Amino acid sequence: EADIYQTPRYLVIGTGKKITLECSQTMGHDKMYWYQQDPGMELHLIHYSYGVNSTEKGDLSSESTVSRIRTEHFPLTLESARPSHTSQYLCASSAGTATNEKLFFGSGTQLSVL
Amino acid sequence: KNEVEQSPQNLTAQEGEFITINCSYSVGISALHWLQQHPGGGIVSLFMLSSGKKKHGRLIATINIQEKHSSLHITASHPRDSAVYICAVIQDSNYQLIWGAGTKLIIKP
Repeated sequence: EADIYQTPRYLVIGTGKKITLECSQTMGHDKMYWYQQDPGMELHLIHYSYGVNSTEKGDLSSESTVSRIRTEHFPLTLESARPSHTSQYLCASSAGTATNEKLFFGSGTQLSVL
Repeated sequence: KNEVEQSPQNLTAQEGEFITINCSYSVGISALHWLQQHPGGGIVSLFMLSSGKKKHGRLIATINIQEKHSSLHITASHPRDSAVYICAVIQDSNYQLIWGAGTKLIIKP
């Protein structure tokens, strides 16, 4: 049902490498989000965007960057991957108002940094 | 103390049982989400509500704004309902989402 796509689905990479996690949605949503989730834990907001050329930092943003050049595309970049970045990364988009909003999630990228 | 607390953390029940998962929050909100996460990570939005009650199939969500509490009920539970159920609130001060840690539900046949 959801038209939000994340690639890659799985990624194993060495320490120090630069990586970009891709997220695209075809629903025309203005709001997009990146979350990090460790097993059995809650989601933590990394970055979010409320539209083209608008990006904001969340709680865990210090070691990553995002861009929003097009409505449909919201890539997340880790400049220098570390083992502590090993986690699941979830991209989401939403549409609607503060009292009537639906969230859509991608399938996630499971990142392992060796 | 987390601003969004879910209980129980884990719940195991037999097929057919009536299930209740609770969510309490301590901030002012404009609305609350219930979501479902299956093994493998995919998250699906179940409900968004700002007052009263919503029903979809065997799922019922209620919210009491005065008591800062919401419940998710599953009637006639089935093994395919096994998943993590997550509560998230939209803070009315900045419209940011605050996430609960989730309730892991296992329904045994």
